[in-house]
Amino acid sequence: SQELEQSPQSLIVQEGKNLTINCTSSKTLYGLYWYKQKYGEGLIFLMMLQKGGEEKSHEKITAKLDEKKQQSSLHITASQPSHAGIYLCGAPTLGSSNTGKLIFGQGTTLQVKP
Amino acid sequence: SAVISQKPSRDICQRGTSLTIQCQVDSQVTMMFWYRQQPGQSLTLIATANQGSEATYESGFVIDKFPISRPNLTFSTLTVSNMSPEDSSIYLCSVGKGRERYTFGSGTRLTVV
Repeated sequence: SQELEQSPQSLIVQEGKNLTINCTSSKTLYGLYWYKQKYGEGLIFLMMLQKGGEEKSHEKITAKLDEKKQQSSLHITASQPSHAGIYLCGAPTLGSSNTGKLIFGQGTTLQVKP
Repeated sequence: SAVISQKPSRDICQRGTSLTIQCQVDSQVTMMFWYRQQPGQSLTLIATANQGSEATYESGFVIDKFPISRPNLTFSTLTVSNMSPEDSSIYLCSVGKGRERYTFGSGTRLTVV
């Protein structure tokens, strides 16, 4: 079965610093979703990547899917306390690219110190 | 993308009781998905709910414990039955349409005492 592994598991950065979170798949990715979750709450959609080499940005967050489509990275520039939370990568499993079944990485907990 | 209203947002329940979680979508969707997030863990899919048919459960989840209803294309419920402290988790519903982004409800934080 396909698995997603995120690194690091947790991260503490000083406000204003840049950071990167990685998501590595054990199999080819047919799409990759990044979500942010505040403690005890639902998931907020950040970005969706589908093509190898694709890169998307929103405000200070950039996500990229590598050419081989087995890894994605999420980069935050000039981090702010509002960026704190749990970042989750999710991917449709083989054969389910149109059915909505996602598997998730274990999450990366980000703390931003003012 | 769809907007999902999920309730309750949180509850504290006695062991042995049941809790029903509701998700209302602002548009018609074929499939809805129910996930569980145990403390400190990532999301695990419980089941897929199709309108007009029985839900499809993932390995480790059974209908007697997590009965699901899907009476129409905009609504679904998940019941957590005969609860024990091990059921304390965040439960989330989700919808997705083809290659559109998958949207999640705000989650139900359940504590069983």
